[in-house]
Amino acid sequence: DTAVSQTPKYLVTQMGNDKSIKCEQNLGHDTMYWYKQDSKKFLKIMFSYNNKELIINETVPNRFSPKSPDKAHLNLHINSLELGDSAVYFCASTQAGEKYFGPGTRLTVT
Amino acid sequence: GIQVEQSPPDLILQEGANSTLRCNFSDSVNNLQWFHQNPWGQLINLFYIPSGTKQNGRLSATTVATERYSLLYISSSQTTDSGVYFCAVWESGGGADGLTFGKGTHLIIQP
Repeated sequence: DTAVSQTPKYLVTQMGNDKSIKCEQNLGHDTMYWYKQDSKKFLKIMFSYNNKELIINETVPNRFSPKSPDKAHLNLHINSLELGDSAVYFCASTQAGEKYFGPGTRLTVT
Repeated sequence: GIQVEQSPPDLILQEGANSTLRCNFSDSVNNLQWFHQNPWGQLINLFYIPSGTKQNGRLSATTVATERYSLLYISSSQTTDSGVYFCAVWESGGGADGLTFGKGTHLIIQP
């Protein structure tokens, strides 16, 4: 009965590679998000996606792109990975109110 | 953008103690949530509390929206309460329209 799920939980890859993180929610929510948590535990919004409208945090590099095949999924694609991309990435969803977070994906770029 | 400040940044307590964590925010908000990030990294929803008071077992929270602060109370602390407690606020129409997080309070409960 997992509400928001992410795969994989851990991802280790080399600089320059392209990778994807998948997110699914079974709550029937309209809006989904991606957040990044850095090494100092600071959480920051990256994207929100609602009814095919994408709002991007202006600080996010264009190497990052969210893709939503349907309302229940919001995947995160990252091109040309850099060392600074190492972080924990959280997916979240909401129905105009309380937000629910996935378990996180720890990305390590070597 | 809105600023969210949490205090104290670190707190070490003995099991059984009570604690109060504070969250101040710089502007009006539509939403406020408290989360607990456990040692395994999971973000657990504690309270969705844009205003008023809520209680859930040993935890309770109060938000005074007009004065721009919220308090999280933990009573009779247990070692499983250890982790980082985040306050997060949402101002509709701001940027990517998501939550703005504080830097958290790192709580350690010693047996």
